[in-house]
Amino acid sequence: SAVISQKPSRDICQRGTSLTIQCQVDSQVTMMFWYRQQPGQSLTLIATANQGSEATYESGFVIDKFPISRPNLTFSTLTVSNMSPEDSSIYLCSAGRVGEPETQYFGPGTRLLVL
Amino acid sequence: DAKTTQPPSMDCAEGRAANLPCNHSTISGNEYVYWYRQIHSQGPQYIIHGLKNNETNEMASLIITEDRKSSTLILPHATLRDTAVYYCIVSSPTGANSKLTFGKGITLSVRP
Repeated sequence: SAVISQKPSRDICQRGTSLTIQCQVDSQVTMMFWYRQQPGQSLTLIATANQGSEATYESGFVIDKFPISRPNLTFSTLTVSNMSPEDSSIYLCSAGRVGEPETQYFGPGTRLLVL
Repeated sequence: DAKTTQPPSMDCAEGRAANLPCNHSTISGNEYVYWYRQIHSQGPQYIIHGLKNNETNEMASLIITEDRKSSTLILPHATLRDTAVYYCIVSSPTGANSKLTFGKGITLSVRP
């Protein structure tokens, strides 16, 4: 199975600041996604991270707030900008592995608390 | 909105079979049923998927009704480590490359 790591695993931030979350996959993948899981809630897709082009955002999420980069096939970053307490959530990346069209693998998540 | 509905919770005794139901009455002809689970403080984990035939792997069995409007995930011998939130998701055949819409899931509690 693909191994997905995220950095940092958790952080406590002050409002108004920004945090960049890194997602690294140990093998070549096709698609990469970023999800948010608010406290006690299910996962909500933020965007699809496209290699070499702008990410595709879901309704309610905008690039200025959640800029995403994917410079190569195995790495992506999500930035949470100008944070407020409402951004306190778990942020997860996921990926589809080459040769495994059915399975989406998820990272362990980054737990963010904004004060 | 999620295209599936699941009861909010259920429990079962350790060693017994856990049967987790899911309704997906609006599923279209080319959509698959996927099951993922999320153990506390971890990312979701793929369990199994199917189109219309029953499927079985080392983790679970998936029973899909003939009209495809509902399905049941079966954990044949539940253990304490199976305590998790289980998500039933309807998606395209290439689930790895598709946006997954997570509903609220069903919380399974396995008791000793």
